[in-house]
Amino acid sequence: GESVGLHLPTLSVQEGDNSIINCAYSNSASDYFIWYKQESGKGPQFIIDIRSNMDKRQGQRVTVLLNKTVKHLSLQIAATQPGDSAVYFCAENTNSGYSTLTFGKGTMLLVSP
Amino acid sequence: DAGITQSPRHKVTETGTPVTLRCHQTENHRYMYWYRQDPGHGLRLIHYSYGVKDTDKGEVSDGYSVSRSKTEDFLLTLESATSSQTSVYFCAISDTSTDTQYFGPGTRLTVL
Repeated sequence: GESVGLHLPTLSVQEGDNSIINCAYSNSASDYFIWYKQESGKGPQFIIDIRSNMDKRQGQRVTVLLNKTVKHLSLQIAATQPGDSAVYFCAENTNSGYSTLTFGKGTMLLVSP
Repeated sequence: DAGITQSPRHKVTETGTPVTLRCHQTENHRYMYWYRQDPGHGLRLIHYSYGVKDTDKGEVSDGYSVSRSKTEDFLLTLESATSSQTSVYFCAISDTSTDTQYFGPGTRLTVL
């Protein structure tokens, strides 16, 4: 079947570079944001999250930045490795009743050795 | 995969046949979700459950039904499969409606 990665914007980097993946979210009332990584043939995997009362949160080799003024979220991956190659997408919690996360379509990250 | 299994992992069926996909969790989370993922669309919510016997529709619920008779199991049924339901189906769980959702490995369904 057709890969979910087709038709997505692609970011190509060299091993060891820092990668920045961007996401524009839609709802100014959203109060919680998540980044997921999805490798080919697998389910989305949680990477890092951030609440709207924060501007920045760091994990292991990853940092998420939140700019509420322009409704923008970014994921920074330090010292990118070939194993980081995957589709990355953001999700926002629109905080509207039981309807929880709204997902972006994603960016494919390709890391060359 | 956070204690989530999906079965079957792959299925090929014919138009008009009923299909049931199963999601099983060992985390005792209250919320469970069914999504489909298609190229160009990202993840779209089909149905979700906020407790045993408590379910509601998502964005693309037409042609699908769900049941949750136990906390650990959430079933997705296609009463009469159509080719437009060819997709990859993911189950997800969360402890509350505002928490992170954790995903299962997915089921690739092909309707001929």
